[in-house]
Amino acid sequence: GDSVTQMEGPVTLSEEAFLTINCTYTATGYPSLFWYVQYPGEGLQLLLKATKADDKGSNKGFEATYRKETTSFHLEKGSVQVSDSAVYFCALSRDTGRRALTFGSGTRLQVQP
Amino acid sequence: DVKVTQSSRYLVKRTGEKVFLECVQDMDHENMFWYRQDPGLGLRLIYFSYDVKMKEKGDIPEGYSVSREKKERFSLILESASTNQTSMYLCATGTSYNEQFFGPGTRLTVL
Repeated sequence: GDSVTQMEGPVTLSEEAFLTINCTYTATGYPSLFWYVQYPGEGLQLLLKATKADDKGSNKGFEATYRKETTSFHLEKGSVQVSDSAVYFCALSRDTGRRALTFGSGTRLQVQP
Repeated sequence: DVKVTQSSRYLVKRTGEKVFLECVQDMDHENMFWYRQDPGLGLRLIYFSYDVKMKEKGDIPEGYSVSREKKERFSLILESASTNQTSMYLCATGTSYNEQFFGPGTRLTVL
């Protein structure tokens, strides 16, 4: 079945550091890939998405590129801020069959001033 | 903006009680979902619905049921709450096979 694997956290960085959160997936067909973010006490918000190979999703300084050859969708940001502290979830949606998302286990990011 | 509301942010119930969690969306999306979120496990799908009165089991449906009588409303029911159902419950809505929009979550504690 489908699965998403994320690097374990927490990831602790100083403000303005470079961020990478790794995400790899297993799925049949051509899934769409997503990064969601959950701030403390809130529900999940879509951060960015990519729907086909080599697409790059970007939002709020975050980027991720859909790499079909390595089945990866790593999240990057060049300079993190304290306000980026949150839990980040990688997810996929298949193009056929079940319409629900398959999520990774989440990675907590803590940014220190 | 899509708005997804959940009936309670925090809920405390006793073992054996029947619990109703309600979710309402205002964007006319055909698909609605219930997930539970537990530390280290991410989000796991309990049930989903792609139309009124239609429902499909997700990955962990045991101990839960759902109801969708109107397009905008999707209810999750715990027939007899147990302590292992203490969790964060998240409702989501969406179209086709695209992104989903989440409510703020209900943190349920079963004593």
